[in-house]
Amino acid sequence: DIQMTQSPSSLSATVGDRVTITCRASQSISTNLNWYLQTPGKAPKLLIYGASSLQRGVPSRFSGSGSGTVFTLTISSLQPEDFATYYCQQSYSTPRTFGPGTKVDI
Amino acid sequence: VQLVDSGGGVVQPGRSLRLSCEASGFTFSSYGMHWVRQAPGKGLQWVAGISKTGYTEDYADSVKGRFTISRDNSKKTLYLQMNSLRAEDTAVYYCAREEINWAYYYDYWGQGTLVTVSS
Repeated sequence: DIQMTQSPSSLSATVGDRVTITCRASQSISTNLNWYLQTPGKAPKLLIYGASSLQRGVPSRFSGSGSGTVFTLTISSLQPEDFATYYCQQSYSTPRTFGPGTKVDI
Repeated sequence: VQLVDSGGGVVQPGRSLRLSCEASGFTFSSYGMHWVRQAPGKGLQWVAGISKTGYTEDYADSVKGRFTISRDNSKKTLYLQMNSLRAEDTAVYYCAREEINWAYYYDYWGQGTLVTVSS
């Protein structure tokens, strides 16, 4: 199975901050990497697919990059609704493993 | 597009439960579907997936042999039959639609249904 790790596991930030989260895969997954946001009590929401493609309706302050084993999610200017937990997920093979999550709080 | 999860509840260890995910707003038979779970206070874990025709299924090792994913395209409904339930199966279970173009990703999710395995 492909193992996914994320760093940091949590971070504190302020509205307007630029935030970067890193996700690493245990083997190369090309660009088969997705990012999701989850707020408490809600289902995950897709932000980025294919490592860098923005899902329809997602604000342009979110961006993704990377290929192979190292990927990043960047929020250019943090907004109040962005305080949440972020998960990466590989879709290169099954099981479609998720990272452990990065919690962004105030 | 809407996915509505149902069927969760409290069940004793060793018993069974069947979850359902009712789809609307899209051509259900054109998409692979998956179940993802989240234990209380924990991260997301992929559980099982099924192809759009239902011919191909795949499972996480932790549920293989105990859970069965299936679908009824005429009813636009996805199922997860869970047998021999264990305390560690306690989680919110989400169904998710898998979009496939040049990448694979879950673009729509159900609201989740809570399964609690406890005596």
